[in-house]
Amino acid sequence: SAVISQKPSRDICQRGTSLTIQCQVDSQVTMMFWYRQQPGQSLTLIATANQGSEATYESGFVIDKFPISRPNLTFSTLTVSNMSPEDSSIYLCSVVDLGGAFFGQGTRLTVV
Amino acid sequence: GQQLNQSPQSMFIQEGEDVSMNCTSSSIFNTWLWYKQEPGEGPVLLIALYKAGELTSNGRLTAQFGITRKDSFLNISASIPSDVGIYFCAGQQRGTYKYIFGTGTRLKVLA
Repeated sequence: SAVISQKPSRDICQRGTSLTIQCQVDSQVTMMFWYRQQPGQSLTLIATANQGSEATYESGFVIDKFPISRPNLTFSTLTVSNMSPEDSSIYLCSVVDLGGAFFGQGTRLTVV
Repeated sequence: GQQLNQSPQSMFIQEGEDVSMNCTSSSIFNTWLWYKQEPGEGPVLLIALYKAGELTSNGRLTAQFGITRKDSFLNISASIPSDVGIYFCAGQQRGTYKYIFGTGTRLKVLA
């Protein structure tokens, strides 16, 4: 399976600011997704990162709050905009192939 | 967002005991996956199931794809302390590459 690297691994940010999370994959992948895992909760799909076009967002998530870029088949970014303490979560990048869905180690975000 | 119902929510067991957990949905899924997540890490794929009725093992872990395609089960035999973690199921519906996750089962093993 692909090796997925996320940066940063963790960050503490001030409310009202924005953070961009990077996801790098060691091979070209077609399907890439972003998930959020709130404290003590399961994973919730934010959006599908589409290469060369706008991301497809799930209900409850909007582009203005979570802009996503996917410039090529190995890289994507998720920005958490105008952060509030409620955005404190683990954000996870995922790639899907025929074997299943695979994850990076995640980015642990704390908003103060 | 949509989530699958997973039970039990948490389990405290003695080392050496067997563990069973399940995941149910109102929708039919084409693929079921089972993951383990430890603190500070992303979920790690344990077992993947692709056909209704399929039974697959990975060491002490055995998972089954329910015949109705609306549920899946994970069993862990002879638990050991390193089995501690949160176990998630995930399902993929026909016609999509997206995976929806279960609510998780938190497992603690007492030595």
